[in-house]
Amino acid sequence: KQEVTQIPAALSVPEGENLVLNCSFTDSAIYNLQWFRQDPGKGLTSLLLIQSSQREQTSGRLNASLDKSSGRSTLYIAASQPGDSATYLCAVFGYGGATNKLIFGTGTLLAVQP
Amino acid sequence: GAVVSQHPSRVICKSGTSVKIECRSLDFQATTMFWYRQFPKQSLMLMATSNEGSKATYEQGVEKDKFLINHASLTLSTLTVTSAHPEDSSFYICSARDLGFEQYFGPGTRLTVT
Repeated sequence: KQEVTQIPAALSVPEGENLVLNCSFTDSAIYNLQWFRQDPGKGLTSLLLIQSSQREQTSGRLNASLDKSSGRSTLYIAASQPGDSATYLCAVFGYGGATNKLIFGTGTLLAVQP
Repeated sequence: GAVVSQHPSRVICKSGTSVKIECRSLDFQATTMFWYRQFPKQSLMLMATSNEGSKATYEQGVEKDKFLINHASLTLSTLTVTSAHPEDSSFYICSARDLGFEQYFGPGTRLTVT
């Protein structure tokens, strides 16, 4: 059974700092991995999607890496801003049989202090 | 990007009544839609997978007679919470998957049962 864990559960940093969020998954048989952002009381915004054959994806100040063999992904946020404050979720999409669905991690609550 | 809408965004109902939540893919056809439930400060829990024209597949522990799912067209899925009770109060989020296996999420529906 696929399990997705995110560390840390919460993180508070001063504005301008670079930071890394971690995501680990137990089953490396994945189709892709996505990073999402969720603001309080809102739905999910997709940030980056990495296919299983890719090592990383970049969008603006965000860079996500994927090491499928070790079951790990990181989301790097450069020059953090107060507007980056939100909960960040990673999710893996498995393939085959009953695993063709997104499994979400536990989330990291990020607070960027001005 | 692809847009998924949910209606209503908030609903308050009395205990024992039923409430229907709609999920629509606005600019793409989705053969598969998903329904999630999220409790405060927790991650998303998949409730069921809905395929157009067929019965939904429910996750273990989710009562199919209580959470009725209908996916009558390629752009619309509905979740009906029957005989709602206060413990059903939660944030319900749907998502729709395109042919490229990327999922797009709706803004969520806050259900409060009094």
